[in-house]
Amino acid sequence: GAVVSQHPSRVICKSGTSVKIECRSLDFQATTMFWYRQFPKQSLMLMATSNEGSKATYEQGVEKDKFLINHASLTLSTLTVTSAHPEDSSFYICSANPGTATEAFFGQGTRLTVV
Amino acid sequence: KQEVTQIPAALSVPEGENLVLNCSFTDSAIYNLQWFRQDPGKGLTSLLLIQSSQREQTSGRLNASLDKSSGRSTLYIAASQPGDSATYLCAAPPASNTGKLIFGQGTTLQVKP
Repeated sequence: GAVVSQHPSRVICKSGTSVKIECRSLDFQATTMFWYRQFPKQSLMLMATSNEGSKATYEQGVEKDKFLINHASLTLSTLTVTSAHPEDSSFYICSANPGTATEAFFGQGTRLTVV
Repeated sequence: KQEVTQIPAALSVPEGENLVLNCSFTDSAIYNLQWFRQDPGKGLTSLLLIQSSQREQTSGRLNASLDKSSGRSTLYIAASQPGDSATYLCAAPPASNTGKLIFGQGTTLQVKP
């Protein structure tokens, strides 16, 4: 299957700092990627849709100024958590589809801990 | 609006048992449904994808079915093994089918040796 790589897998940062998470499609191009968040013992919730060459689309309740998304190429989307606070501590995971109506492939996820 | 529900939230079975995980969805105009496995602290591994035109898909000891009319999908695991212990998630796209997925809450499976 297709490969989506996410980096870093784990990050600890101080409150007030920013953290960037990368999501790459290794063997296919993706004009659209998706960012999800998963709190402990909960399921995945979609945060935003990353669109190559245009603005991201955020789900209701997700602060676009806090979670900056950049999709500068067909194989890379980045999520920057700005001015992170302890409540932003979560598991962030991205996905991409090699085409429409096909399987979604997920990255390994990033465990963010804000102290 | 598509909503996805999984029951039970947790399941514990002895090794070797056959088991069924359930997933229900509210919008029967479904494009596809995907089953994933998630190990603790890890990302998602795609297990099976069922297109709307299909009734079932099989991969090894796994068999997933799709019944659009009743809004249900099941994941059947044959001859369960301790290595099958994980959380199993089902997900379906919303009506717009933009590639994003709506996830169920997951079923955490424990297979005891």
